[in-house]
Amino acid sequence: GQSLEQPSEVTAVEGAIVQINCTYQTSGFYGLSWYQQHDGGAPTFLSYNGLDGLEETGRFSSFLSRSDSYGYLLLQELQMKDSASYFCAVRDAGSARQLTFGSGTQLTVLP
Amino acid sequence: DGGITQSPKYLFRKEGQNVTLSCEQNLNHDAMYWYRQDPGQGLRLIYYSQIVNDFQKGDIAEGYSVSREKKESFPLTVTSAQKNPTAFYLCASSIGRDSSYEQYFGPGTRLTVT
Repeated sequence: GQSLEQPSEVTAVEGAIVQINCTYQTSGFYGLSWYQQHDGGAPTFLSYNGLDGLEETGRFSSFLSRSDSYGYLLLQELQMKDSASYFCAVRDAGSARQLTFGSGTQLTVLP
Repeated sequence: DGGITQSPKYLFRKEGQNVTLSCEQNLNHDAMYWYRQDPGQGLRLIYYSQIVNDFQKGDIAEGYSVSREKKESFPLTVTSAQKNPTAFYLCASSIGRDSSYEQYFGPGTRLTVT
């Protein structure tokens, strides 16, 4: 089966940079996605890494190392509105290429 | 505006009753998904459908049923066999099976069974 580990909580101040790590164990890995979810809201897609390296989208970047079964989401120039839960999700052959989500990291941005 | 709608936002039922949650999308996506989210947890896949008239069980399908008679619609029935149905239910869609990494979510239905 699949398993993912990410920190349960992270706290940072406005304007700072924060990195949310995700390690995974899968069979037949295809890629790693990241989603943001505000309290009570719908998850929204942030990024996807199918290959090793860094993907950048504005203030957010995501990194993948397939050999280390590891990825991270990097949030720069933090804003109060970035306070939310962040989920990594793996896509692998073991789950017929459907997403398996981690338990999420609650990010709190302080003024 | 294209998107996914789920109704109702809040739903209350008595134990032993079946209940159907609605999910409609106008994104012209082939694939649709149902997830369950419990407090402080990630999303767990209940069922998914990659094409009309076809659907597959996810990780926690027991006590649930679905249908996919139209491309736009993927209703979920929570049956009385589901032992712990109180949860937040999220419907999602993607362009197709190969795009499952990028899913679009509806606003969710919060189901409370007492």
